[in-house]
Amino acid sequence: DQQVKQNSPSLSVQEGRISILNCDYTNSMFDYFLWYKKYPAEGPTFLISISSIKDKNEDGRFTVFLNKSAKHLSLHIVPSQPGDSAVYFCAAAQGGSEKLVFGKGTKLTVNP
Amino acid sequence: EAGVAQSPRYKIIEKRQSVAFWCNPISGHATLYWYQQILGQGPKLLIQFQNNGVVDDSQLPKDRFSAERLKGVDSTLKIQPAKLEDSAVYLCASSYGQGGHETQYFGPGTRLLVL
Repeated sequence: DQQVKQNSPSLSVQEGRISILNCDYTNSMFDYFLWYKKYPAEGPTFLISISSIKDKNEDGRFTVFLNKSAKHLSLHIVPSQPGDSAVYFCAAAQGGSEKLVFGKGTKLTVNP
Repeated sequence: EAGVAQSPRYKIIEKRQSVAFWCNPISGHATLYWYQQILGQGPKLLIQFQNNGVVDDSQLPKDRFSAERLKGVDSTLKIQPAKLEDSAVYLCASSYGQGGHETQYFGPGTRLLVL
């Protein structure tokens, strides 16, 4: 039972364009969502998060959008840079719990 | 600030052997997590410690996996005996542990291959 789903295993975009990574969830109790970025042979690093009381959170080139009714969130990277090439994991938590449930990840490749 | 340290980085063992992984969290972090990441999957929480107490070990296969954090700092995760399906990257993470949603900082992981 996969509660957090990232249906696109990979995404390829051109440098300077927008990257949009999608994530769906099934557990309506989730109220906190995060994106982590992972380079090969490294651990995941926190990128950006959003609480369910918001529908948008922005940090520099990264923006996360949350659509609670659709149980869907997306990560927008504008403009995309070659250094953004990595695997991006969507994660969710519920209540005050620190337990994170991760999706399978989407591998982003930004071509120069 | 030093990050989360893990060792070894790589380990190859045969099935039915035992193996242990070590983690040193970021200084001052009270909460420590062990995750298992199988190839092509996202990390899955195995166990969460708050200081030296277990908060959540609901997904830890307790017949073969054990973990401890005796002094509330370093932690070890042990597998005995190992199975082929235990081949994965074992990630350790830590957070301040002051409650609520906190950023978890991950170590580089230990890649285990069971033959």
